[in-house]
Amino acid sequence: EIVLTQSPATLSLSPGESATLSCRASQRVSSYLAWYQQRPGQAPRLLIYDASNRAAGIPARFSGSGSGTDFTLTISSLEPEDFAVYYCLQRYDWPPIFTFGPGTRVDIK
Amino acid sequence: EVHLVESGGDMVQPGRSLRLSCQASEFIFDDYAMHWVRQAPGKGLEWVSGISWNSDLISYADSVRGRFTISRDNAKNSLYLQMNSLRVEDTALYYCAKDNDGTGSQIDNWGQGILVTVSS
Repeated sequence: EIVLTQSPATLSLSPGESATLSCRASQRVSSYLAWYQQRPGQAPRLLIYDASNRAAGIPARFSGSGSGTDFTLTISSLEPEDFAVYYCLQRYDWPPIFTFGPGTRVDIK
Repeated sequence: EVHLVESGGDMVQPGRSLRLSCQASEFIFDDYAMHWVRQAPGKGLEWVSGISWNSDLISYADSVRGRFTISRDNAKNSLYLQMNSLRVEDTALYYCAKDNDGTGSQIDNWGQGILVTVSS
């Protein structure tokens, strides 16, 4: 079983600052790593797939990187609408099993 | 634009059964794997189950294996989740979600969710 750990649990920042969110896997995983944003009262939204590809319609300030066990989501300059919870998702095993990280909350400082 | 609409949520007593449905539209349903993901009140996301485009590949989270059954009807563009022996800890908002691949890769679209409450 693969366990995803996200850090920090909470990030308090001001608009305009950059955010760096980490997703670490308990063992080496594939590049099938996705990042999602969830605003209060809304369904999650795909931001990044295959670790580093932006989904359609996602602003360029969102970027993903990483491989192996360590993955990063970077938001280059926080907009007010970016304050939300962010989750990573990894696929492993066959038939595919999926696991989410516990999430990182990005709060307004 | 992908459209996923869940239905069938309710409040039930522990030990009872419930069947969730998801009606899909605006994409070629039988090209893609599908998933159910849940979120308990105030908690994070938990993947529940996934099914490949042709139903050949099916998998479950340990927390529901043996109690829940996922299925799909490609002729009706519909996804289902049969939930038996429900427990209080199954209380959650259940999302129907579309994969970006036929066998299972990453979720790229979500429904708005349907609430299941298990309580005596």
